[in-house]
Amino acid sequence: GESVGLHLPTLSVQEGDNSIINCAYSNSASDYFIWYKQESGKGPQFIIDIRSNMDKRQGQRVTVLLNKTVKHLSLQIAATQPGDSAVYFCAETFSGNTGKLIFGQGTTLQVKP
Amino acid sequence: DTGVSQDPRHKITKRGQNVTFRCDPISEHNRLYWYRQTLGQGPEFLTYFQNEAQLEKSRLLSDRFSAERPKGSFSTLEIQRTEQGDSAMYLCASSLGSGSVSNQPQHFGDGTRLSIL
Repeated sequence: GESVGLHLPTLSVQEGDNSIINCAYSNSASDYFIWYKQESGKGPQFIIDIRSNMDKRQGQRVTVLLNKTVKHLSLQIAATQPGDSAVYFCAETFSGNTGKLIFGQGTTLQVKP
Repeated sequence: DTGVSQDPRHKITKRGQNVTFRCDPISEHNRLYWYRQTLGQGPEFLTYFQNEAQLEKSRLLSDRFSAERPKGSFSTLEIQRTEQGDSAMYLCASSLGSGSVSNQPQHFGDGTRLSIL
């Protein structure tokens, strides 16, 4: 079946730099996307979401970009901090279904002090 | 704390035993989901409840698995005759929504880690 995929399994950045985590999706029917952060031993934590009628959404230190033409999603983290170290997942779903999420493999973000 | 609560956090059991996990969703959330996550992978959908009705089950949910949400509040997931391959993190999530309402973000609990000896 179709699934969401992330481009890089691991991303290493210097503290204070900006981070960009990428995700490609293949289901053109998907219209709702969520980024989650998962720390070791914990459940996924909601970061930010975006619907397909938008191409950009900003939160606190985070921005999600959606490019429906190439089916690409990215999460930008400004001024990355050690506390941002975690595994990041993008997830997709579409209207008319039960809301079940399809997750990608995840990207591990390592922040170097 | 008004987030999603799961119990127990860890469960170690011998192969062949039955186990039951509990999930308490965010109180006003009518949608409840169970997912399974193995090491290094993203969560995989198992089943979905809207209020007390179980409306979707994944093919991952074999007949050894059963889930309930009797009063539309907490939910239980039972695995009978556990197998080595059942070892995983079992995650519960909840959200608000209905057929006519756009999807809302799902909020996850910290999961139950199941280890089968």
